[in-house]
Amino acid sequence: AQKVTQAQTEISVVEKEDVTLDCVYETRDTTYYLFWYKQPPSGELVFLIRRNSFDEQNEISGRYSWNFQKSTSSFNFTITASQVVDSAVYFCALTEGMNRDDKIIFGKGTRLHILP
Amino acid sequence: NAGVTQTPKFRVLKTGQSMTLLCAQDMNHEYMYWYRQDPGMGLRLIHYSVGEGTTAKGEVPDGYNVSRLKKQNFLLGLESAAPSQTSVYFCASSPQREVTDTQYFGPGTRLTVL
Repeated sequence: AQKVTQAQTEISVVEKEDVTLDCVYETRDTTYYLFWYKQPPSGELVFLIRRNSFDEQNEISGRYSWNFQKSTSSFNFTITASQVVDSAVYFCALTEGMNRDDKIIFGKGTRLHILP
Repeated sequence: NAGVTQTPKFRVLKTGQSMTLLCAQDMNHEYMYWYRQDPGMGLRLIHYSVGEGTTAKGEVPDGYNVSRLKKQNFLLGLESAAPSQTSVYFCASSPQREVTDTQYFGPGTRLTVL
């Protein structure tokens, strides 16, 4: 069965520091997709990235970067030079294969506090 | 486009009352989902739909029913509300037939059952 573990329940860093949010997943499938979503204090869920299991290249988008390591089943998210606006709950998610009945499984989230 | 909208935004019920949450999307998406979010539990899938007229159970379906009579709408019903159903409910939709595509979320409905 698929499972997503975000071991860090809550993290606090001072503004401008770098911070990495961990995500470890379990799956028996060779084809799967990984996601990161952001939930700011306003409550909505914002899509950040989708990565398929065949693409192990790391991705950078501005201050955000993602490190996908199949060998350790991890898909970690790093924020460089953090800002107060980055304060939010971040969710990692996984879905397996291409079966139309498959579902997305979310981790429990990591609450990130960026202190001014 | 409004994207995904949810009605109502807030609701307080008494134990045993019934209500329906409405989710609407104007993006012509095939898939729609209902999640609940509880502190420390992340998002858990209640029910989902892979197309008009179809529904399927998710991870925590008990106490809820759903209907997808129109492609753009996905209704979540609570027949007899219980305090354990106090939660924030999110609706989502995705554009392709494969669930691996990105999900677009509504703003959420905060439900309190007394």
